[in-house]
Amino acid sequence: NAGVTQTPKFRILKIGQSMTLQCAQDMNHNYMYWYRQDPGMGLKLIYYSVGAGITDKGEVPNGYNVSRSTTEDFPLRLELAAPSQTSVYFCASSYSYSGLNTEAFFGQGTRLTVV
Amino acid sequence: DAKTTQPNSMESNEEEPVHLPCNHSTISGTDYIHWYRQLPSQGPEYVIHGLTSNVNNRMASLAIAEDRKSSTLILHRATLRDAAVYYCILRGQGGSQGNLIFGKGTKLSVKP
Repeated sequence: NAGVTQTPKFRILKIGQSMTLQCAQDMNHNYMYWYRQDPGMGLKLIYYSVGAGITDKGEVPNGYNVSRSTTEDFPLRLELAAPSQTSVYFCASSYSYSGLNTEAFFGQGTRLTVV
Repeated sequence: DAKTTQPNSMESNEEEPVHLPCNHSTISGTDYIHWYRQLPSQGPEYVIHGLTSNVNNRMASLAIAEDRKSSTLILHRATLRDAAVYYCILRGQGGSQGNLIFGKGTKLSVKP
C-alpha cells in the first residue's frame, strides 16, 4: 500500500500565485486532514474532512480552501499565496466513525516557499 | 480542549530506557491519550495510544496514571533512530471534535 501520498514534495510560489497541494490515500479512510508546520513548531490543523462531500475548518483555515469529492482525495487550494504561507504542509488520514481510537497516517509533506 | 504539558527536550544514551512524561491534568473521561513522533524531515508517525490501562506495542509502552492526569511513554532501549520530536496528544469529542491537536512536543536526543 502507498498509504498517504502528497504531491508535489517541493514548490516555490511567487506572491499572489495560486496552487493546489494534492493528497491521496488508498486505505479507504473516511477522515482526512491538512496541517501546516512552521519551523520549530508543532503542526497546526488547517482543514479536515469526515467523509466525501463534508469538510470543516481547523485552527488556521484563512487563505486556504479544500474539497472532498471522493474518499481517496483531499486537495488543498491556496488562492493568493502570501509569504506567511511558507511552511511544510502535511496531509493525514484515519479510519473510524469516532476518530478517537484509531491511528492517523501522515504523508511525507510538501515544502512550500512563497517569495 | 484539554491541553498537555511536555518538557521541551530530553537526552538519552543509546540502548538505555527512556521515559517521556506528559501532564494532562484537565483530561476528560472520554479523552484518549495518543503519542506520535516526528523524525527529522518526515511526517509524524503513530507510536501508541490508550484510554485507562497501560498499553504495550512493538514500538513502546504507555503508562497511564491511575487518575489519568499524567502518562509516560517508555522506549525500552533507545536507538539512534529514536531521535525525534515526541508529541503527547489528547483526542476527545470536545471542541477539537476528535482531531489531533499538536503542541510543541519533546525533542529527544540519543547519544551513542
